[in-house]
Amino acid sequence: KAGVTQTPRYLIKTRGQQVTLSCSPISGHRSVSWYQQTPGQGLQFLFEYFSETQRNKGNFPGRFSGRQFSNSRSEMNVSTLELGDSALYLCASSLTGRPQETQYFGPGTRLLVL
Amino acid sequence: AQSVTQLDSHVSVSEGTPVLLRCNYSSSYSPSLFWYVQHPNKGLQLLLKYTSAATLVKGINGFEAEFKKSETSFHLTKPSAHMSDAAEYFCVVSELGSSASKIIFGSGTRLSIRP
Repeated sequence: KAGVTQTPRYLIKTRGQQVTLSCSPISGHRSVSWYQQTPGQGLQFLFEYFSETQRNKGNFPGRFSGRQFSNSRSEMNVSTLELGDSALYLCASSLTGRPQETQYFGPGTRLLVL
Repeated sequence: AQSVTQLDSHVSVSEGTPVLLRCNYSSSYSPSLFWYVQHPNKGLQLLLKYTSAATLVKGINGFEAEFKKSETSFHLTKPSAHMSDAAEYFCVVSELGSSASKIIFGSGTRLSIRP
């Protein structure tokens, strides 16, 4: 089975712009979660989607949004970028998102905001 | 409230010596516990997980962890370190929230291996 894929792998944007990141989960996985990883804050949960519905949300401003398509692929959007949004954005998929399930992570998208 | 504390931000050991990465958690219910590893510029890979079965869990690459409810700990160990073990390690607790799983990552422990 192919693993979780994320595109693009690297991205450079300027303040005020917006960005869309994409995640394709493992085939058959219906839960997709997004995380932000920074040196200062570590790994923080952004949101989780299941069957095209946002089921869980972390403590991030409304500039961060996402969606999931019928094929379980997910996109994450950040509007009005700030310097502090520079981070590695990780996507993870699991079968249904239950607590005991393993999450499989993609390689991440590294976003640099100038 | 749910939380995870990795007691060491950096651990350095010599190749061939034992590894101990410490993790304490708090959880309102019966949690699932995980250890993930992240090599530089890579995503996270599951090492092992505890989901209320055997308290001693064996994972990949010779790692194992023991769930101790009385101590609320889930320390990661390996008998003999290898150079390829140098990476960042994350302890994770997951439990069922009101409508979905709640997942908390520890702050990570960077493991360095001395030749």
